[in-house]
Amino acid sequence: SAVISQKPSRDICQRGTSLTIQCQVDSQVTMMFWYRQQPGQSLTLIATANQGSEATYESGFVIDKFPISRPNLTFSTLTVSNMSPEDSSIYLCSVGEGFTYEQYFGPGTRLTVT
Amino acid sequence: AQSVTQLGSHVSVSEGALVLLRCNYSSSVPPYLFWYVQYPNQGLQLLLKYTTGATLVKGINGFEAEFKKSETSFHLTKPSAHMSDAAEYFCAVSSNNRLAFGKGNQVVVIP
Repeated sequence: SAVISQKPSRDICQRGTSLTIQCQVDSQVTMMFWYRQQPGQSLTLIATANQGSEATYESGFVIDKFPISRPNLTFSTLTVSNMSPEDSSIYLCSVGEGFTYEQYFGPGTRLTVT
Repeated sequence: AQSVTQLGSHVSVSEGALVLLRCNYSSSVPPYLFWYVQYPNQGLQLLLKYTTGATLVKGINGFEAEFKKSETSFHLTKPSAHMSDAAEYFCAVSSNNRLAFGKGNQVVVIP
């Protein structure tokens, strides 16, 4: 399975600012995903990021708030824009592999907005 | 659309006792099913998966799960809990190139 790293691992940010989270994979993958995990909650899919196409956002998430880049087959970024305390969450990237669409996850970025 | 139900957000189990986490799914097509574990301050790790074939699947750390189509279930078990099993566990079903997750079970192991 792919090895996935994320930067930063955690951050504390002030409201109104933006943070860009990086996701690096050790092999080329087609499908990458970004999730949000609010405290004590399950995972919510933000968007699917496939190389060579625009990211596909889930209901309730918009590009202006969560712009995503996918410049190549091993890297992606998620930006959390104009942050508010409600954006305090863990943000996880994952990659999809195989015909079963199983996913492998990065360690997550723990974001606190004050 | 596929969905997953996990009941009982918090599960307490004594060290050495059976761990049983229940997962029921809804799916209009033969499902691919997964259990993930999340240790404190870490990402999700794949415990095991069911794709096709044998309905009893074995995973890492002594866990196993059985796919029962008639019951639309994929319950996770471990015969003897260890303190290191304290974590959150998520059941998931694949659908349209994406995963649908259950709400998770927080497992507490009592010495």
